[in-house]
Amino acid sequence: QVQLVESGGGLVKPGGSLRLSCTASGFTFSDYYMTWIRQAPGKGLEWVSYIRGSGTSIYYADSVKGRFTISRDNANRALYMQMNSLRAEDTAIYYCARDGMGATTLGGWFDSWGQGILVTVSS
Amino acid sequence: QSALTQPASVSGSPGQSITLSCTGTSSDVGAYDSVSWYQQHPGKAPKLIVFDVSNRPSGISSRFSGSKYGNTASLTISGLQAEDEADYYCSSYIRRSTLVVFGGGTKLTVL
Repeated sequence: QVQLVESGGGLVKPGGSLRLSCTASGFTFSDYYMTWIRQAPGKGLEWVSYIRGSGTSIYYADSVKGRFTISRDNANRALYMQMNSLRAEDTAIYYCARDGMGATTLGGWFDSWGQGILVTVSS
Repeated sequence: QSALTQPASVSGSPGQSITLSCTGTSSDVGAYDSVSWYQQHPGKAPKLIVFDVSNRPSGISSRFSGSKYGNTASLTISGLQAEDEADYYCSSYIRRSTLVVFGGGTKLTVL
């Protein structure tokens, strides 16, 4: 079955950096758009970034544009998020998720999610 | 403030049917048949229960059904069960710079 496992979260000071990873199994990783979605403590969901199956198309929410960089390694079935210039408002659980449509077409719906990883930005 | 508007809380009794609403605008919910719904239990990841307004993924109970009229999407849960108590989020794929917007979520309480 589809499995997504995030890692790399933790406590970081404002202005610091962190790299999240998501390891996928149970499906052909390169056949799907992948995304990061976050959820601040006690709050709702916020879409963060998308990357096409081939890695050739990338999209970001305005709130993270210029600070976060999404990437993927299809050979190793891994998704990444490099987070720089972190702010207190970036504190959240970060979920790796699969777009349900496929590699070349965005569906805007997410049929598989990881368990989430907590990122805390605090001095 | 979330892009899509959902009531903060809804409650119902076992066996009842309840409907959760998700209100957007003519630029998001009203413009595309790309509304999806997620169920989230405390401490767990969200789970897709409806996509493209009214489609259910494999394995999702037929008690969950989605619809849309104008700028408002709805999720109806029939035959309410205790395990349906959770937070429910709607989202819309809007094909603009912010590709996906979510509602603020509705907490469903089963009395």
